[in-house]
Amino acid sequence: EDQVTQSPEALRLQEGESSSLNCSYTVSGLRGLFWYRQDPGKGPEFLFTLYSAGEEKEKERLKATLTKKESFLHITAPKPEDSATYLCAVRPGGSYIPTFGRGTSLIVHP
Amino acid sequence: EAQVTQNPRYLITVTGKKLTVTCSQNMNHEYMSWYRQDPGLGLRQIYYSMNVEVTDKGDVPEGYKVSRKEKRNFPLILESPSPNQTSLYFCASGSGSGNTIYFGEGSWLTVV
Repeated sequence: EDQVTQSPEALRLQEGESSSLNCSYTVSGLRGLFWYRQDPGKGPEFLFTLYSAGEEKEKERLKATLTKKESFLHITAPKPEDSATYLCAVRPGGSYIPTFGRGTSLIVHP
Repeated sequence: EAQVTQNPRYLITVTGKKLTVTCSQNMNHEYMSWYRQDPGLGLRQIYYSMNVEVTDKGDVPEGYKVSRKEKRNFPLILESPSPNQTSLYFCASGSGSGNTIYFGEGSWLTVV
């Protein structure tokens, strides 16, 4: 059974305090690992797709990395507007059904 | 502007009264899907569609129906809603293999 575990469940940072969110996964033949951002009362917003171990992608203050067992979302010098829940999901090979983690709730204080 | 539009956004209904949540996308995407999001359980896929007249079950299809008669529309049908279908529902669409997915704003459904 495919599983996605995100940690920590909640994270509070001061503005400018860099940190990382973790997504550990087990999946049958990874077809893709996805990161989304979700603001309260809104639909998830696509951030990144990673396909193979060693791959990295960046967008503004966010950088996603992938190993064979986990992915990290690094947030460099976060700002209050980065506050949101960050979701990780994996898609197994041969399937179009992704498995989502429960998310990490990030709050960045000014 | 690229959009996935769901309606209604908020609905309170009674057990057993059939309802339909509409979903429309303006990006000419082949892939569309429905999810429900529940506290402590995360997002779970209900049904997905890879193209017109092609639909498949996701993780939690029981109690739901879908149809894909046109490329842009993918309605979710609850034939006989029950209280355990109270949830936040999201429609999503994506191009090609569905690896980049765009979500709608969500529909809050309460069944009493």
